[in-house]
Amino acid sequence: GNSVTQMEGPVTLSEEAFLTINCTYTATGYPSLFWYVQYPGEGLQLLLKATKADDKGSNKGFEATYRKETTSFHLEKGSVQVSDSAVYFCALRSGSARQLTFGSGTQLTVLP
Amino acid sequence: KAGVTQTPRYLIKTRGQQVTLSCSPISGHRSVSWYQQTPGQGLQFLFEYFSETQRNKGNFPGRFSGRQFSNSRSEMNVSTLELGDSALYLCASSLGDKGFPGNTIYFGEGSWLTVV
Repeated sequence: GNSVTQMEGPVTLSEEAFLTINCTYTATGYPSLFWYVQYPGEGLQLLLKATKADDKGSNKGFEATYRKETTSFHLEKGSVQVSDSAVYFCALRSGSARQLTFGSGTQLTVLP
Repeated sequence: KAGVTQTPRYLIKTRGQQVTLSCSPISGHRSVSWYQQTPGQGLQFLFEYFSETQRNKGNFPGRFSGRQFSNSRSEMNVSTLELGDSALYLCASSLGDKGFPGNTIYFGEGSWLTVV
């Protein structure tokens, strides 16, 4: 079946620090990979996605590269801001399962 | 273009009651799915509807049900509420199978259900 393993949180960083949130997956078939972000009291927003190996998704300074050989899709940002404080979810869709399979989420807090 | 709209945003129910949550997808989207989010279990898939038919269902008891109308709007119902049903219920929509599995699924802001 499909599963996503995400870096345990919470993560606390100072403003302008480098961010990495690790995500690895197991999937049947050829998955598409996603990062969603959830701000306090809100629903999920798509942050970025990648649909094939070696694709790099990017948005708002965040990047993630689809690595088929290591089954990973790590999220990175070179310089985080206080406004990036949120919960980040790695997710995939694959095979006959039309739903998203999510990781457990990583709480990021950025301090000024 | 309006996003996914969920009503009500917040509600409090008593154990044993039932609740109905409503979702209006993005215009033109025919697939609607529902997810439950809790601190302990994270994000779990409930069910997916496409053209008024349930295509996929998660591992939830029969107390959880849903339906989709001809205009793609969807409702989910939970009967005989239990304390453990307290959660954020998220509705999501997408065009359907076009571009699957890479097509984007868009989420609403959710309905916060508290069971007391």
